[in-house]
Amino acid sequence: GENVEQHPSTLSVQEGDSAVIKCTYSDSASNYFPWYKQELGKRPQLIIDIRSNVGEKKDQRIAVTLNKTAKHFSLHITETQPEDSAVYFCAASGSGYALNFGKGTSLLVTP
Amino acid sequence: GAGVSQSPSNKVTEKGKDVELRCDPISGHTALYWYRQSLGQGLEFLIYFQGNSAPDKSGLPSDRFSAERTGGSVSTLTIQRTQQEDSAVYLCASSWGQGLEETQYFGPGTRLLVL
Repeated sequence: GENVEQHPSTLSVQEGDSAVIKCTYSDSASNYFPWYKQELGKRPQLIIDIRSNVGEKKDQRIAVTLNKTAKHFSLHITETQPEDSAVYFCAASGSGYALNFGKGTSLLVTP
Repeated sequence: GAGVSQSPSNKVTEKGKDVELRCDPISGHTALYWYRQSLGQGLEFLIYFQGNSAPDKSGLPSDRFSAERTGGSVSTLTIQRTQQEDSAVYLCASSWGQGLEETQYFGPGTRLLVL
């Protein structure tokens, strides 16, 4: 089945710096890649997604890039703010009905 | 409108007891997913419903786990003869339609602790 690896597991940046989280996947049939943000004690929420026919997508301070040849995709957060502190999960669609999630990256933005 | 709700929010049970976890999806969402989130882990897929049918049960860890959905709405996840390794947060999510590209909206989860 699909295997999604996510790195790093923890990331600490200073406010205003950029943060990058990377994921790799194994199933070449994967064609949908969402990113979810989970603040402490809250439910995961979709923040951005990308489909395989697109190489990059941007929404204000967040962007996602996809390299289908290398089977990896990344989340970029620019001008980080303390409220960006959360756990971020990448996911990839598989051949079945389920999204396959990475193990998450705990991002801490220090003022 | 109302989001996905789950009950109970917390459940403490003794090893060997059965538990039922409930999920109320967003009205009109035909797809419903159950996930398990253990400490420091990602979201582990358990089961997917489309309407009242479960075309994908591949993530259920053992035959102690079962789920049903009635009226194309409420779903119940049942864990029989609970074990300590069942302790985790159980999350439910729902989405429109059948495709994985539909945004999944998560509930707040049920935190299960098996003593």
